[in-house]
Amino acid sequence: SQTIHQWPATLVQPVGSPLSLECTVEGTSNPNLYWYRQAAGRGLQLLFYSVGIGQISSEVPQNLSASRPQDRQFILSSKKLLLSDSGFYLCAWSPPGGQPQHFGDGTRLSIL
Amino acid sequence: DQQVKQNSPSLSVQEGRISILNCDYTNSMFDYFLWYKKYPAEGPTFLISISSIKDKNEDGRFTVFLNKSAKHLSLHIVPSQPGDSAVYFCAALNRWGGYQKVTFGTGTKLQVIP
Repeated sequence: SQTIHQWPATLVQPVGSPLSLECTVEGTSNPNLYWYRQAAGRGLQLLFYSVGIGQISSEVPQNLSASRPQDRQFILSSKKLLLSDSGFYLCAWSPPGGQPQHFGDGTRLSIL
Repeated sequence: DQQVKQNSPSLSVQEGRISILNCDYTNSMFDYFLWYKKYPAEGPTFLISISSIKDKNEDGRFTVFLNKSAKHLSLHIVPSQPGDSAVYFCAALNRWGGYQKVTFGTGTKLQVIP
């Protein structure tokens, strides 16, 4: 069966520090991968999606970037965090060209 | 532009009664709709979906209804149980360029009272 791992579960970072959140998927090949953010009191906002290694599309302009160095690895990064980057970050995968999306347990990011 | 709207941020229902969660959308190109359930500090879990060519899909206690003319869908939970207490997200999917984009609503927090 397929599983998705996302870490860390919680992270407290100072403003201006770098960020690296990692997500890995097991049990499937060539998944579509996604990064979402859920800000307090708001829905899920799609940040990035990837249909293959090295293929990243950004949905919204922002302070973050994403990379997919391996088929089942998706990384969310920032060089300098802003206060507005606080939120709950979720990684998800779906079968290539299929649904539904399956989510990891998320990372609660707090910026101080 | 919020293409998928859940206008009720919260809903309280007695255990055993029906819970009805509503969702409206504006994009007639959506061709698939999904409901997700989310507990605090966890990722959303897929619950049920419906194709735009259908008007009803049922899975156990969960039924999703789609009214394309009204651009409205609803999730019915019967009977409601305390374990159903969670945030429910409506989502809509459209395909373009070989990619499937899913747009989520803002969620409705359901509380089932024992």
